Amino acid sequence: DTGVSQDPRHKITKRGQNVTFRCDPISEHNRLYWYRQTLGQGPEFLTYFQNEAQLEKSRLLSDRFSAERPKGSFSTLEIQRTEQGDSAMYLCASSYRTGSKLFFGSGTQLSVL
Amino acid sequence: AQSVTQLGSHVSVSEGALVLLRCNYSSSVPPYLFWYVQYPNQGLQLLLKYTTGATLVKGINGFEAEFKKSETSFHLTKPSAHMSDAAEYFCAVSESGGNEKLTFGTGTRLTIIP
Repeated sequence: DTGVSQDPRHKITKRGQNVTFRCDPISEHNRLYWYRQTLGQGPEFLTYFQNEAQLEKSRLLSDRFSAERPKGSFSTLEIQRTEQGDSAMYLCASSYRTGSKLFFGSGTQLSVL
Repeated sequence: AQSVTQLGSHVSVSEGALVLLRCNYSSSVPPYLFWYVQYPNQGLQLLLKYTTGATLVKGINGFEAEFKKSETSFHLTKPSAHMSDAAEYFCAVSESGGNEKLTFGTGTRLTIIP
């Protein structure tokens, strides 16, 4: 059990650029979640997957955001045409099944200049 | 809709003193309640979880929380603070019974005074 891994740890980009983050969940975890945490706030739910199926998306996830989990293993979160308001910590979490313990990664810190 | 309010964004206690972190929730259905801890440069870790049954829940590292429906509260306590308890603590609620769509509070930063 190597834990939930997120890459990169930090990303600095210019406004208008596209960015992509990767999350590797714990092996055999079927569920994968994305959250966003801004300074001084708690994490906010963005979306989650059951295997490769994206089951729910928050209204926070605008059309510029897209998440995939093509083979039911790792997941990517892409933000197109980044805005300064996208600056946040993006957290990934996984669990074996619904109701089981949630394991969080250390997050990807995005700064949009 | 569900929501969580954490009273006090910063709490300082002396080493060995009682730790009390407050959490009040709002939920339209019987809630599932969580406390998570976040150490610097680490991911959130589950401290404890209330689902149904016994209202006093014991977690890791000597922490416990009591679900009080009449007060819509789920306060976190530890009898004796340790330096290693310094971290940020988040209360969260779920109406689904699972881990989907957790709603987190804004967090309480706990500082331990030597």
